[in-house]
Amino acid sequence: DQQVKQNSPSLSVQEGRISILNCDYTNSMFDYFLWYKKYPAEGPTFLISISSIKDKNEDGRFTVFLNKSAKHLSLHIVPSQPGDSAVYFCAASAFGGGADGLTFGKGTHLIIQP
Amino acid sequence: DTAVSQTPKYLVTQMGNDKSIKCEQNLGHDTMYWYKQDSKKFLKIMFSYNNKELIINETVPNRFSPKSPDKAHLNLHINSLELGDSAVYFCASSQVVATSQYFGPGTRLLVL
Repeated sequence: DQQVKQNSPSLSVQEGRISILNCDYTNSMFDYFLWYKKYPAEGPTFLISISSIKDKNEDGRFTVFLNKSAKHLSLHIVPSQPGDSAVYFCAASAFGGGADGLTFGKGTHLIIQP
Repeated sequence: DTAVSQTPKYLVTQMGNDKSIKCEQNLGHDTMYWYKQDSKKFLKIMFSYNNKELIINETVPNRFSPKSPDKAHLNLHINSLELGDSAVYFCASSQVVATSQYFGPGTRLLVL
């Protein structure tokens, strides 16, 4: 039973354009959401996070949007650069609940085309 | 000055053997984790330790036993390895439980 879903296994975007990666969740207890980036043969790298008390968090080229009523979050990367090509994982936790660790989606492979 | 390190990076072994994977973090974090990424690329939590005490033990066979000698180390020992244990195992750490976690490079385990 997938509590965090990334329905697009891959996404191809032209360099300089906006990349939008989507994530849906089912567990209403989740109140902290994160995006991780992963290159082949490396561990996931933390990118950006958002607490459920916010609906937007921005860090440079990366912005995460949270729509709690739809249980949906998205990661916007603008402008997209070749180095952004990687697998992006959405993750969630019930931070208030404390001890569950992170629940990950299956990832979306982002390919930035020159 | 790697933040979270794991050894070995690759591990190839026979069914039935016992093996250990080591993890160390130099970030001063209180909480450490083990995740398994299976062939379907799902990253799933296995264990978490907070200040050397086990706080999560997901549905993992008893053959897997984490050991935390101190706050900076969380090792994973696996007894009687099975074919289905083949996966990539990631160690991670965080300052506060379940917040931004920093991952190690992973250990690729192949059981033959």
